[in-house]
Amino acid sequence: GAVVSQHPSRVICKSGTSVKIECRSLDFQATTMFWYRQFPKQSLMLMATSNEGSKATYEQGVEKDKFLINHASLTLSTLTVTSAHPEDSSFYICSAGGQGGETQYFGPGTRLLVL
Amino acid sequence: DAKTTQPNSMESNEEEPVHLPCNHSTISGTDYIHWYRQLPSQGPEYVIHGLTSNVNNRMASLAIAEDRKSSTLILHRATLRDAAVYYCILYGGSQGNLIFGKGTKLSVKP
Repeated sequence: GAVVSQHPSRVICKSGTSVKIECRSLDFQATTMFWYRQFPKQSLMLMATSNEGSKATYEQGVEKDKFLINHASLTLSTLTVTSAHPEDSSFYICSAGGQGGETQYFGPGTRLLVL
Repeated sequence: DAKTTQPNSMESNEEEPVHLPCNHSTISGTDYIHWYRQLPSQGPEYVIHGLTSNVNNRMASLAIAEDRKSSTLILHRATLRDAAVYYCILYGGSQGNLIFGKGTKLSVKP
């Protein structure tokens, strides 16, 4: 199947700093990518939809100025957590793939720990 | 969005078959039934999907009820590496993202 990568796999940062997470579709082009967040012992929650060449669409309750999304090419979307705080510590996962019932492919996830 | 209902957890013995049920009584005609699984500290992994007919692949089989209001994911011989949270998700039409419920946590005993 298709491959989606994420970098870094884990990051530890100090409170107040910004962290950038990359999501790449390695063998296919993705006009749309999705960013999810997963807290311990909970399910994945959609944060935003990343659209190539246009603004991202954010879910209710997700601050667009705090979670900056850039989808500059058909194979790369980035999520920047600005001014990170301990409550932003979570497992961030991206996905890409077809719509209309086709398979979604997920990245391996990025574990963020904010001290 | 149509929702699914799954048991919170199930246990299986290694090398025995596992049947993971999913109810989706409000499924629409354009919804595909997708199954993903998530191993600890990893992103979800696609397992199988179907629309109306039963489906088989190298990982599992998907049995879909005739009225499509329920389905069952079948792992023919569970291994320790199959221990994961299994998500049954309805997905289709113009919908883009997947909506995850709580899934079923499968434990496999040696």
